[in-house]
Amino acid sequence: SQQGEEDPQALSIQEGENATMNCSYKTSINNLQWYRQNSGRGLVHLILIRSNEREKHSGRLRVTLDTSKKSSSLLITASRAADTASYFCATCSSNTGKLIFGQGTTLQVKP
Amino acid sequence: NAGVTQTPKFQVLKTGQSMTLQCAQDMNHEYMSWYRQDPGMGLRLIHYSVGAGITDQGEVPNGYNVSRSTTEDFPLRLLSAAPSQTSVYFCASSPRTSGAPEQYFGPGTRLTVT
Repeated sequence: SQQGEEDPQALSIQEGENATMNCSYKTSINNLQWYRQNSGRGLVHLILIRSNEREKHSGRLRVTLDTSKKSSSLLITASRAADTASYFCATCSSNTGKLIFGQGTTLQVKP
Repeated sequence: NAGVTQTPKFQVLKTGQSMTLQCAQDMNHEYMSWYRQDPGMGLRLIHYSVGAGITDQGEVPNGYNVSRSTTEDFPLRLLSAAPSQTSVYFCASSPRTSGAPEQYFGPGTRLTVT
């Protein structure tokens, strides 16, 4: 069963615009992670936010976590064509300790 | 470091054949996992290991076997391939820390079962 559900499933924006992706989950978590996957490649870890954190930044990435709403968002600012990829959230369950992935958001950044 | 390596990159099997997908990592990570990725399904955990000699089932273990005789290697065996096992398979590793730390993924093996 999938823990995370991502919204939107697909997003198309112009270079320079901001991209926001959302992730909702169902059970309590230890942490939530975001990964990027370029077409035909493996996943690359972007950022990890712990359950006691509310916001985290890494370069052009900003992640928020609202444990009361069981949701997270990933904001990519000033997007570039190279940001075109699929983005996945993954939640670490407090009960099992396993990492469960959502279905992903496909982002297309047009030059 | 090569990171996580997987072989082969592509494989075509006939129904009923068996094969082993290889995974190796050179980062001395204790944790290793196998996932399958199907369109619209995200990644689903097949099996995982928290150290040499220790393995456990994930979300979709049926039809797959694993073993972990060394820290570096974590092969995935398909016992009798079925068309439902057509998928892209990813191996991942992570260091032993509390909670689930970030995972390092291999490039994947694209498997087609006819």
